[in-house]
Amino acid sequence: EAQVTQNPRYLITVTGKKLTVTCSQNMNHEYMSWYRQDPGLGLRQIYYSMNVEVTDKGDVPEGYKVSRKEKRNFPLILESPSPNQTSLYFCASSPLTVTSGSGKTQYFGPGTRLLVL
Amino acid sequence: AQSVTQPDIHITVSEGASLELRCNYSYGATPYLFWYVQSPGQGLQLLLKYFSGDTLVQGIKGFEAEFKRSQSSFNLRKPSVHWSDAAEYFCAVDNYGQNFVFGPGTRLSVLP
Repeated sequence: EAQVTQNPRYLITVTGKKLTVTCSQNMNHEYMSWYRQDPGLGLRQIYYSMNVEVTDKGDVPEGYKVSRKEKRNFPLILESPSPNQTSLYFCASSPLTVTSGSGKTQYFGPGTRLLVL
Repeated sequence: AQSVTQPDIHITVSEGASLELRCNYSYGATPYLFWYVQSPGQGLQLLLKYFSGDTLVQGIKGFEAEFKRSQSSFNLRKPSVHWSDAAEYFCAVDNYGQNFVFGPGTRLSVLP
């Protein structure tokens, strides 16, 4: 089954304690992305990657890191989490071009709800 | 600045009534356009998308959207709303494979 998986689904942590949220896709998609969702703000892109070893900042990258060492994985790293990073996080993947496969349709993971105390 | 706006934060309609959700974007060229739906506690599901060609696109669940270049709009419509359509709807634009921007969302409530 084609899917994007995220782990963990729920996480409670304390300020300053480094954490990683994993994201993996099995559709051989080039493009992967992280979003955070906050009430009234919709989804805002944190980082995206157009292929292995190629990453770029989205609209709200501060306080986050990513890496893309393998095509299928795109982990999100919070080196020193703060309470303002409490949010719902989504990972997504898609083909890179409109002519390939599902034509740039982004497939979303189930979300990770993070609470930073 | 590039942005996506959805002017209506919350819309309430009666079951069986028609629906139109508005979306406007501000980009220099026509980006790729999408509508996603998020049911309570769920992830996001693609309703429909526009890349080029026919400006009226059909999606799943009986939804359609019309691209109007002159108005920089991509409004979502449904002729007859069902109670199961209650959800949050997001318009989004793909800036040619680079960043991807969502609107703030419109929450749809459906009255019986």
